[in-house]
Amino acid sequence: NAGVTQTPKFQVLKTGQSMTLQCAQDMNHNSMYWYRQDPGMGLRLIYYSASEGTTDKGEVPNGYNVSRLNKREFSLRLESAAPSQTSVYFCASSEEVRNYGYTFGSGTRLTVV
Amino acid sequence: SQQGEEDPQALSIQEGENATMNCSYKTSINNLQWYRQNSGRGLVHLILIRSNEREKHSGRLRVTLDTSKKSSSLLITASRAADTASYFCATDDLVNRDDKIIFGKGTRLHILP
Repeated sequence: NAGVTQTPKFQVLKTGQSMTLQCAQDMNHNSMYWYRQDPGMGLRLIYYSASEGTTDKGEVPNGYNVSRLNKREFSLRLESAAPSQTSVYFCASSEEVRNYGYTFGSGTRLTVV
Repeated sequence: SQQGEEDPQALSIQEGENATMNCSYKTSINNLQWYRQNSGRGLVHLILIRSNEREKHSGRLRVTLDTSKKSSSLLITASRAADTASYFCATDDLVNRDDKIIFGKGTRLHILP
């Protein structure tokens, strides 16, 4: 079982460039999430999708867009990268968060120069 | 925003000793979860305790929950070098009942040989 797979693992972007972070889960989970993790800030929720076809903003959505392509895949797009978006990005999924925990991917380390 | 806050921020103990970490939160919850993150890796779900439970065990882990004080503790008994990691608590929101959890900033645990 692969669990949650994120690609790429590392990326360096120039300011203003765009990119899409990919996430896929093979556990048939309904909910998927994107977090960013910065030193001393813990994990902050960017966007989430409670079910296929729905997306909602989290705590820090500005500068990001998401697409729940199907039940398996949830992508995060940076349209015009800024140095403030340098961070480690984690995708997670859950069958149902009130009764089960999250399964996390291994993360994407993004640097914007 | 509703968020768990872990205490202490960092903790160093000798191998074999017990480690205790605390988490406080702000609003009514349905459940509280603890996660571990090894350096450079994604988070791993450790344990979920529901609001109607006071204590839960999993191997060397013991979690308590006091909803009147809005606090939880994670005890790791007989610590090992492999327990060196960051530990995060996360809570859902009973009032909003949206399908997401919010993480605290974590406790960095270092087990000394």
